[in-house]
Amino acid sequence: QQQVKQSPQSLIVQKGGISIINCAYENTAFDYFPWYQQFPGKGPALLIAIRPDVSEKKEGRFTISFNKSAKQFSLHIMDSQPGDSATYFCAASSFTAGGTSYGKLTFGQGTILTVHP
Amino acid sequence: DAGVTQSPTHLIKTRGQQVTLRCSPKSGHDTVSWYQQALGQGPQFIFQYYEEEERQRGNFPDRFSGHQFPNYSSELNVNALLLGDSALYLCASSLAGQFYGYTFGSGTRLTVV
Repeated sequence: QQQVKQSPQSLIVQKGGISIINCAYENTAFDYFPWYQQFPGKGPALLIAIRPDVSEKKEGRFTISFNKSAKQFSLHIMDSQPGDSATYFCAASSFTAGGTSYGKLTFGQGTILTVHP
Repeated sequence: DAGVTQSPTHLIKTRGQQVTLRCSPKSGHDTVSWYQQALGQGPQFIFQYYEEEERQRGNFPDRFSGHQFPNYSSELNVNALLLGDSALYLCASSLAGQFYGYTFGSGTRLTVV
């Protein structure tokens, strides 16, 4: 069962443009929503993350928007640069002490972002 | 400060063989999780080790097993390899109680022929 759905699969933007990637989740127990950036031959690196008690979080050119009622969240990359070209993954996790979840990450399918100079 | 170290970086095995992948967590981390990333897909959770025990497991068959050592390093073992086991295997470490601070290694690329 795919619990986190990500779109689009690929995205091409011009330098200076805005990149938007969307994710939707099903499990209401999720309480942590990170975005990871992965370059070829490397492991995923944490980009930015949000908890469901806030609707937006901004770090530099990267912003997460979170809609708890719709169970959706998105990544916005402002002023996109060629160096941002990578694969982006949304993910979700939860932690329940003494329960069955210890923060394992459930990933989306990924979005290949290409930023043209 | 060394991050997560995985070895080997690449590996080619034949169907039916067994393989062992290794992971050294980031300094100060005591929890290790393993993920399988098929080509063009997001990583899938295999299992997590803490205090030398498997604490949580994903939807993977018993052919996948692991171990954590007293120094927190970990091994992933896969028996009776199938072509479908070809993937990038990622190790992620974290500190117990801070499950949201995962650090991933660069992975081991396993090819089964």
